[in-house]
Amino acid sequence: EAGVAQSPRYKIIEKRQSVAFWCNPISGHATLYWYQQILGQGPKLLIQFQNNGVVDDSQLPKDRFSAERLKGVDSTLKIQPAKLEDSAVYLCASTIRGGDYSSYNEQFFGPGTRLTVL
Amino acid sequence: KNQVEQSPQSLIILEGKNCTLQCNYTVSPFSNLRWYKQDTGRGPVSLTIMTFSENTKSNGRYTATLDADTKQSSLHITASQLSDSASYICVVTIYGGATNKLIFGTGTLLAVQP
Repeated sequence: EAGVAQSPRYKIIEKRQSVAFWCNPISGHATLYWYQQILGQGPKLLIQFQNNGVVDDSQLPKDRFSAERLKGVDSTLKIQPAKLEDSAVYLCASTIRGGDYSSYNEQFFGPGTRLTVL
Repeated sequence: KNQVEQSPQSLIILEGKNCTLQCNYTVSPFSNLRWYKQDTGRGPVSLTIMTFSENTKSNGRYTATLDADTKQSSLHITASQLSDSASYICVVTIYGGATNKLIFGTGTLLAVQP
């Protein structure tokens, strides 16, 4: 079974530039998550999708971050414009389903995209 | 406030030795607790999962314990190998609804030296 795919793996941009990350979850997984992981910290949830609808985006800095999941499969996360503090690893994860049934629902993570903002 | 704290922040051990990592949490309502292993440059991979009724779970040389009364968990690694060098993250799931939420600890960075 293929895992969660992310691209690019690395990205270096200057502040105020724009950047986009792509995620392809495991086939059949309805729930998709984007996390931001700053060096030395645990992942922080940015946004959670259930199929193509947003379930939780309470920690997404909406003035500069946006995400979409068209057709309930692939997802893109965009930052525009980037700031120095956005330097982090952006992780995408997916589960079969969310909600009350997810006690044993493992989140499968992709390898992440390491963003460096200069 | 929902929080997961891990200790130590980092640990260096010699190959073949055992070690124990700690996790304390203040999360409610509790659904389950997972330990993840995150290799450098990779996404986290689940090692164990326990609900409140389970107090121990093993996965090879990894054994996790859970005390739901004191809200503490530990991950014990037996006969460490160089490949165990990684960050170990304790993750607690808040129960309920479509917005089941994961609370991540900051991780323990383990270095196994030959």
